[in-house]
Amino acid sequence: DQQVKQNSPSLSVQEGRISILNCDYTNSMFDYFLWYKKYPAEGPTFLISISSIKDKNEDGRFTVFLNKSAKHLSLHIVPSQPGDSAVYFCAASAGRNFNKFYFGSGTKLNVKP
Amino acid sequence: GAVVSQHPSWVICKSGTSVKIECRSLDFQATTMFWYRQFPKQSLMLMATSNEGSKATYEQGVEKDKFLINHASLTLSTLTVTSAHPEDSSFYICSVVDRGVQAFFGQGTRLTVV
Repeated sequence: DQQVKQNSPSLSVQEGRISILNCDYTNSMFDYFLWYKKYPAEGPTFLISISSIKDKNEDGRFTVFLNKSAKHLSLHIVPSQPGDSAVYFCAASAGRNFNKFYFGSGTKLNVKP
Repeated sequence: GAVVSQHPSWVICKSGTSVKIECRSLDFQATTMFWYRQFPKQSLMLMATSNEGSKATYEQGVEKDKFLINHASLTLSTLTVTSAHPEDSSFYICSVVDRGVQAFFGQGTRLTVV
């Protein structure tokens, strides 16, 4: 049973517009969430994180929103750039066991020039 | 932050042979490293936790005799896929978690068993 889900396998956005990537989770014990970006044939690279004590974290063009009651988080990229085209994974961990991450299946973002 | 190097980046092997994948933490002494596997269009699945100087901890459903993990030093963990079969073909990634709980990943190894 997948505990972290990304229901949109792909997303296409025009350059300059906002990209919104969504992630849902089922385990209420998750309290730390991360977004990773992955290019083909490369390992994931860390993008942004949020802990459950917050509902928003912003870093430049990237903002992550957390809705604990809905068990939902989203990544907003604004403005989107062609270089943002990649696969984005959300991941979650529970309690003090920060080492063990559960990943969503990823959303492939395509930003069109 | 930690930099993780994984080798090889891709490998093709014959069915029945064994393949070793190395994961090195270049600037961080890692008592723990993690091995993930990704099937096409699926999420990264944690396979095992590699513990320096002791036995690895495997996730449910992962065959420990098939996926041998050795963590002999604070900077190196190896994953050996023994008696590989075509269904073992996958993308394998290792990671290291630093003190700030951020996970750093290797570039991954694409294994193809023919």
